[in-house]
Amino acid sequence: GQQLNQSPQSMFIQEGEDVSMNCTSSSIFNTWLWYKQDPGEGPVLLIALYKAGELTSNGRLTAQFGITRKDSFLNISASIPSDVGIYFCAGPIIQGAQKLVFGQGTRLTINP
Amino acid sequence: EAQVTQNPRYLITVTGKKLTVTCSQNMNHEYMSWYRQDPGLGLRQIYYSMNVEVTDKGDVPEGYKVSRKEKRNFPLILESPSPNQTSLYFCASSRRYLGELFFGEGSRLTVL
Repeated sequence: GQQLNQSPQSMFIQEGEDVSMNCTSSSIFNTWLWYKQDPGEGPVLLIALYKAGELTSNGRLTAQFGITRKDSFLNISASIPSDVGIYFCAGPIIQGAQKLVFGQGTRLTINP
Repeated sequence: EAQVTQNPRYLITVTGKKLTVTCSQNMNHEYMSWYRQDPGLGLRQIYYSMNVEVTDKGDVPEGYKVSRKEKRNFPLILESPSPNQTSLYFCASSRRYLGELFFGEGSRLTVL
């Protein structure tokens, strides 16, 4: 089925570093979503993007909707321990069934 | 408090013993969905429901059944569980199909 490819799959960083991750697809999307999953919990929506080229911030998080509509980026500035978790990109399939597809996730680990 | 509630949170069962994972939301959401999360595969959609009595298959529906007789409830039924259904399951809901899903805390199922 439809797939979103996230990169990198895992990251090990020092507290205070900036983080960048991305998500790509072979198909275009009209919406890009970024979720975070804390250990032992369900994913929580961080940022939603609805327009190509859109740049949206949520505190230290910034996400961009790629111009080609086939990719999206998430940046975290000045990482802190509570940023640890798995970050997922997601997008609704435009045609056909009403499905939301997720990337494989980027697991972020922070060394204090 | 707005929430999606799943039960049970943890379950160990044996092959072939029918089980049901319940899901209930208190936000009057029309859209509900079930996902399974497996390492390296991200979140994959099992079934979804656009409204009461309206359900459809996601990407991995084999071995699962659902029903939507009331707006707030969307149970996941495993008629004859097999070990390959060992996974972490998430129920989610949204006000309408827009992708801004609210997730439950997850149900970890082990089939021996």
